[in-house]
Amino acid sequence: DQQVKQNSPSLSVQEGRISILNCDYTNSMFDYFLWYKKYPAEGPTFLISISSIKDKNEDGRFTVFLNKSAKHLSLHIVPSQPGDSAVYFCAAIYHPSKDSGGSNYKLTFGKGTLLTVNP
Amino acid sequence: DSGVTQTPKHLITATGQRVTLRCSPRSGDLSVYWYQQSLDQGLQFLIQYYNGEERAKGNILERFSAQQFPDLHSELNLSSLELGDSALYFCASSGLAGDVDTQYFGPGTRLTVL
Repeated sequence: DQQVKQNSPSLSVQEGRISILNCDYTNSMFDYFLWYKKYPAEGPTFLISISSIKDKNEDGRFTVFLNKSAKHLSLHIVPSQPGDSAVYFCAAIYHPSKDSGGSNYKLTFGKGTLLTVNP
Repeated sequence: DSGVTQTPKHLITATGQRVTLRCSPRSGDLSVYWYQQSLDQGLQFLIQYYNGEERAKGNILERFSAQQFPDLHSELNLSSLELGDSALYFCASSGLAGDVDTQYFGPGTRLTVL
């Protein structure tokens, strides 16, 4: 049962244009969402996150939008650069109970989208 | 560099064998998470430790076990290895104040079972 879905295995865009990566989730209990970028032979690198109480979070060229009613989030990269070429993973966290420290914050990942930015 | 280290980088072994993967979290992080990335399954959560105690379990097989030591490093033990256990194993850590929800990943250990 895939609770976090990235339906596009790959995306190709031209340098300078906008890249839009999409992610859908099924579990309405998810309350925190993250995007990770992964280069070959490296671990995933945290990119940007958003809490379910927000609908937008921006960090430089990266913006994440959250549509809770549609259970959909997207990552916008503007302008896209060749160095952005990587696999992008969407991930979600469900906090069953709030307590101190990192309790039960397991990430549920999508299968990733390979972004290729062409010069 | 995420600050999370994993050893070894590569491991090649035979079916039926037992291996240990090691992870050192970022300085000050109390939580360690283990994930498995296989070709067809993507990144799957295995287990989480927080300050030495098991906190959450995911899709971890009974042949696998983990522990977190007093110095907060963690080990993932995989036994009776099967061909299907070949995968990338990632460790992540979190827990700095104000940054609890963000996990930082190590470079991974690539396990090949022949």
